[in-house]
Formats: sequence, C-alpha cells, structure tokens
Amino acid sequence: DGGITQSPKYLFRKEGQNVTLSCEQNLNHDAMYWYRQDPGQGLRLIYYSQIVNDFQKGDIAEGYSVSREKKESFPLTVTSAQKNPTAFYLCASSTAGPSNQPQHFGDGTRLSIL
Amino acid sequence: KNQVEQSPQSLIILEGKNCTLQCNYTVSPFSNLRWYKQDTGRGPVSLTIMTFSENTKSNGRYTATLDADTKQSSLHITASQLSDSASYICVVSARFSGGYNKLIFGAGTRLAVHP
Repeated sequence: DGGITQSPKYLFRKEGQNVTLSCEQNLNHDAMYWYRQDPGQGLRLIYYSQIVNDFQKGDIAEGYSVSREKKESFPLTVTSAQKNPTAFYLCASSTAGPSNQPQHFGDGTRLSIL
Repeated sequence: KNQVEQSPQSLIILEGKNCTLQCNYTVSPFSNLRWYKQDTGRGPVSLTIMTFSENTKSNGRYTATLDADTKQSSLHITASQLSDSASYICVVSARFSGGYNKLIFGAGTRLAVHP
C-alpha cells in the first residue's frame, strides 16, 4: 500500500541538541510538506517542497531546516534555535499542479523536551 | 486576515445519534474547502473536498455542505458510531498566482461518541 511513513513516532530532545524527523513517501508525489500541530490550534506550515532540490519556508520556519535530495524523502531538522519545539509534527505529500495541496498525511512524530 | 473558525470546540453524543459540526471562514481568494478526520495520535484523513460551485458532498455517513455566499460549511454525521470519535478539521484553500494553494486550518472539533 502506498503511503507516508514518519519516524520515530516519539522523540525526545535535550537542551542545545538538534534532532531530525524522518518522512518517506512511496506515492510518487512531487510535493511534500511539514506541519506543526499544537493543542487548540490549527496546523501551521513549517516548510514545503514542490520538487527535488528545492524548498520554501512556510509560516513558522524559524528554528527548523529541511532538505529534499530525493523525491521520496523530506527530513525535518529541529535545531537548538527552536526554543519551543514540543509539538506533534506532521508530514504530508501531494501531486504537483494547480490544485497543489496536501492529500496524504503521515501519522506524525511527537517531539518532547527532556 | 485569512481565518477558519470551528464550532463547537468539543462535543459529546450518544452512539446512534446525529450531529453537525460548523466551520466559518474568511479566506480569499477561495479555492476549495476540505474536511479531515484525525484520530488521536494519527495523521488527518480527508473526508470530503468541495469547490465554490458545490453545495453538498457525501462520503458514507458524512455529509458536508458549503454556502460560499455566507462562507459557512457544516459536516453532518448520521447514525454515529464509536469509531467516529476523533477530531474533525476544516481546511480552506486560498489560491494565489502561480497555482500555489495556501491552506488555512481550523483548530478542529473534538467529537466523543459514547455507548
């Protein structure tokens, strides 16, 4: 079955540490996205990529970095500059084109601070 | 300011009953509106998507309506089941030049179905 795989499901970060969240898709989608979900708030876009080797900042990119070296993979690094990283992180993918928007979501990674 | 407001914030109903969730938006230029279901600890799953010209869209026991004039949408769940317990998220898409759609997410309605 095609889908999006996020790992790990739970992740803990120490002060001053960078951590990387994995996102892999086998849907052959061109576009991939990272969202952050906090209690009582709507999803907020961190970064998105519409094609390999290209990505753009979303609404809350500060303290995060991404890469898109392969079509299937879009890892997110939460750097030490992100002072409030505790959240549920969701990766999504979609086909490219005029209706370019997330169609499939992974099951998320919950990041907490030690 | 582009915003999506959902009500109620949370809802408890008995199994077998119907319920209706509301979504009001101030998003422009409007492209489409989608309802997602999100189980606890899982990613959202799309239920319906409606464009400007569509008033109603059904998916099994889920029926979404859209009034583009008043900028309101509703999601009606018929004969609720325990498995309907989840958060329901309204997402409105705004289309900008270059074909890129910006998504504005509501905070969701948390539904609990009790036996």
